[in-house]
Amino acid sequence: DGGITQSPKYLFRKEGQNVTLSCEQNLNHDAMYWYRQDPGQGLRLIYYSQIVNDFQKGDIAEGYSVSREKKESFPLTVTSAQKNPTAFYLCASSPGTSETEAFFGQGTRLTVV
Amino acid sequence: AQSVSQHNHHVILSEAASLELGCNYSYGGTVNLFWYVQYPGQHLQLLLKYFSGDPLVKGIKGFEAEFIKSKFSFNLRKPSVQWSDTAEYFCAVAPNRKLIWGLGTSLAVNP
Repeated sequence: DGGITQSPKYLFRKEGQNVTLSCEQNLNHDAMYWYRQDPGQGLRLIYYSQIVNDFQKGDIAEGYSVSREKKESFPLTVTSAQKNPTAFYLCASSPGTSETEAFFGQGTRLTVV
Repeated sequence: AQSVSQHNHHVILSEAASLELGCNYSYGGTVNLFWYVQYPGQHLQLLLKYFSGDPLVKGIKGFEAEFIKSKFSFNLRKPSVQWSDTAEYFCAVAPNRKLIWGLGTSLAVNP
């Protein structure tokens, strides 16, 4: 089945540790996105990539980093510099450069203790 | 600044009740409009969208939305909700090709 796979579904980390969230898609989409979802705050764009080896900051990129070495993969690293990392993280992809056609993964819930 | 406002943060209904979720946006130009739904434990998925044409848009699972340009609104409606409609609903607006999201409305339908 084609789709977007995020792993793991739940992730726990100690404060001060970097952690990498996985996002893989087999839809042959060019663009990929990372969002953060907090209760009562909707979705906020962290980073996006419209093509391999290129990515752009979204609205809340501070404390996060990404890479796009392969078309299928867009991992997100939550660094120790992120002040409030506990959240639900959503990955999405779209066939073109328009975010409006995005398909979403099931998300990773990160808890930092 | 461009923004999307969803009027109700939490809605509780009984089965068979009618639903209307409000969505207003602040942008004067041409926009594309969306409603997304996130069922418990599932991924966010597109419910319906409006790009142009008939301002009354029909989506999946009996949902519809009406674009009223003069009111900058794109309200979501369903005549008779079911327990399975319990979910979080997000309105989003794209004045260009970038999405601006509302904060979401949590709908709980009691059987």
